Amino acid sequence: EVVVVESGGGLVQPGGSLRLSCAASGLTFNEYLMHWVRQVPGKGLVWVSRIFGDGTGAIYEDSVKGRFTISRDNTRNTVFLQMNALRAEDTALYYCVASREYYYMDVWGKGTTVTVSS
Amino acid sequence: SYVLTQPPSVSVGPGQTARISCGGNNIGSKSVHWYQQKPGQAPVMVVYDDHYRPSGIPERISGSNSGNTATLTISRVEAGDEAEYYCQVWDSGSDHYVFGTGTKVSVL
Repeated sequence: EVVVVESGGGLVQPGGSLRLSCAASGLTFNEYLMHWVRQVPGKGLVWVSRIFGDGTGAIYEDSVKGRFTISRDNTRNTVFLQMNALRAEDTALYYCVASREYYYMDVWGKGTTVTVSS
Repeated sequence: SYVLTQPPSVSVGPGQTARISCGGNNIGSKSVHWYQQKPGQAPVMVVYDDHYRPSGIPERISGSNSGNTATLTISRVEAGDEAEYYCQVWDSGSDHYVFGTGTKVSVL
């Protein structure tokens, strides 16, 4: 069974930084695309970023471009989201998602909460 | 950017059929995927590539896609189907992934 577990969320001040991690198990990690998707409580899903299995192909939703960086360590079956210059509107539950295919999102983690507030 | 529009809510009685629409410009030319999210839980994919079901998803759940509307159909609705449902596509123009606005299905 494929399982992904996020960590690294927390409370950070506006302008600060945070690095999220996502550990995956039960899969051949380098065969999976990995995504980050966020959700403000009570609101809808918003895709944030994606990276290919070989570490290339990083791409970002427009509001986080230039502030967030996605990366992965295939030796540790882990994907990261480095979040800099955080804003109040980045406050959300961040899901890590593993995908075998390019177009959809197979396996979701339970999420980690990021709160940006002074 | 590509926009997907869903009705905010759908209400249906037990045993009846719920139909959830997902509107987008020429969405019939794209592959549409659907996710179910129950309160306090992570989303789960219930339909991919318009009409395929992942393992473990009941046959009561089906999908279709044509023209400017994709539809998720839940037949013989049960109380356990109460959830938020989201459609999703990949936008080739931007290489971005787009979610619909979400539809809350309530079982009366």
